[in-house]
Amino acid sequence: EIVLTQSPGTLSLSPGERATLSCRASQSVSSSYLAWYQQKPGQAPSLLIYAASSRATGIPDRFSGSGSGTDFTLTISRLEPDDFAVYYCQEYDDSPPWTFGQGTKVEMK
Amino acid sequence: QVQLQQSGPGLVKPSQTLSLTCAISGDSVSSNSAIWNWIRQSPSRGLEWLGRTYYRSKWYDDYAVSVKSRITINPDTSKNQFSLQLTSVTPEDTAVYYCVRGGYGGNAGRFDYWGQGTLVTVSS
Repeated sequence: EIVLTQSPGTLSLSPGERATLSCRASQSVSSSYLAWYQQKPGQAPSLLIYAASSRATGIPDRFSGSGSGTDFTLTISRLEPDDFAVYYCQEYDDSPPWTFGQGTKVEMK
Repeated sequence: QVQLQQSGPGLVKPSQTLSLTCAISGDSVSSNSAIWNWIRQSPSRGLEWLGRTYYRSKWYDDYAVSVKSRITINPDTSKNQFSLQLTSVTPEDTAVYYCVRGGYGGNAGRFDYWGQGTLVTVSS
């Protein structure tokens, strides 16, 4: 089972600033089967990025994903008020069980 | 537009069975592309994939090792829904439970649609 470690735990930023979130895997994630989800309070997670760098339908281009192997990054180029939330990475390599990181909270400074 | 509507009790007594249902609209539980999952979320365990069911000429299922002896996920083609049963629950099973669709784009574990979530509390 792949263990995903996200950092930092909390990111305190202001609207308009750039957010950089990290996700490190305990072993290589093949074919970049790495996704990012956004979760707002009281809501289910929603898919933002899949295959490490492809935006899901309707996701604005200020969200971008990068990385391969064991190191992946989610970047939000210019934070908008609606972007303050918790972000999770998830690997979906090969067969289950699939695992999630523990999350990074992006909070307003 | 795919929608997943969850139903089931929010309170279950210890040692009893947790039962939840997920009604699907905009897709079919028998789809040859979709995979139907249950995922739970708790402060102590984070997001945890529990299991899946899917149809590829016949029905398949897979379960997480942590719950394998206690879990069943069943499709119901007549109602276009699928269900979760978790037996012998303890307070450790207290969590928000989500039904989730995966499988499209050839990626079984990419979760594109989620139910609204059901908080299930295990308490006497």
